[in-house]
Amino acid sequence: VQLVESGGGLVKPGGSLRLSCGASGFTFSNAWLTWVRQAPGKGLEWVGRIKSKTDGGTTDYAAPVKGRFTISRDDSKDTLYLQMNSLKTEDTAVYYCTMSRAYWGQGTLVTVSS
Amino acid sequence: EVVLTQSPGTLSLSPGERAALSCRASQSVSSNYLAWYQQKLGQAPRLLIYGASSRATGIPDRFSGSGSGTDFTLTISRLEPEDFAVYYCQQYGSSPSTFGQGTKLDI
Repeated sequence: VQLVESGGGLVKPGGSLRLSCGASGFTFSNAWLTWVRQAPGKGLEWVGRIKSKTDGGTTDYAAPVKGRFTISRDDSKDTLYLQMNSLKTEDTAVYYCTMSRAYWGQGTLVTVSS
Repeated sequence: EVVLTQSPGTLSLSPGERAALSCRASQSVSSNYLAWYQQKLGQAPRLLIYGASSRATGIPDRFSGSGSGTDFTLTISRLEPEDFAVYYCQQYGSSPSTFGQGTKLDI
């Protein structure tokens, strides 16, 4: 199993960014996938999750990101996405994609700063 | 949402000693869906325990999880030098899933 995040970088407050997570080594379409973030020097924070399409494909979000972040998936590309809009300085963090709690990517750093 | 409180914040022990880390939930964790992770500096978290007491694949048997309802414990029976890290609990029984704030295990 491999999960590889990409798309992080420096963005100004109010801006947008889309993260990707490419997956391999398992049946992507059957998996529920989650985004977790970690601000510099801080603990882990659950961001949100998307179910498999066979389980409805629905999403859930943590309160701090609800209405600003959108999780989606492209099962034809084995790729998970996190669209982040209206970014705030407090969104600065390493963003991880995870599957089944046991499999984690290496993370991608998002820095929101003017 | 379920708030998880871990204690102590920092635990200072020596190799060979036994460690007991606590995770207390603000309400009962559904189906005891409680996980424990270890995280070292600059690395992604590693799953140790799921379902409160089941060891993840490849995790040494010196790591054990116990508890139910609102009180959970991660026990490391004999500390090895590589065990000194930060440990997090997570509940995934209700949405949103939540993490505890972490316990740092120090030499």
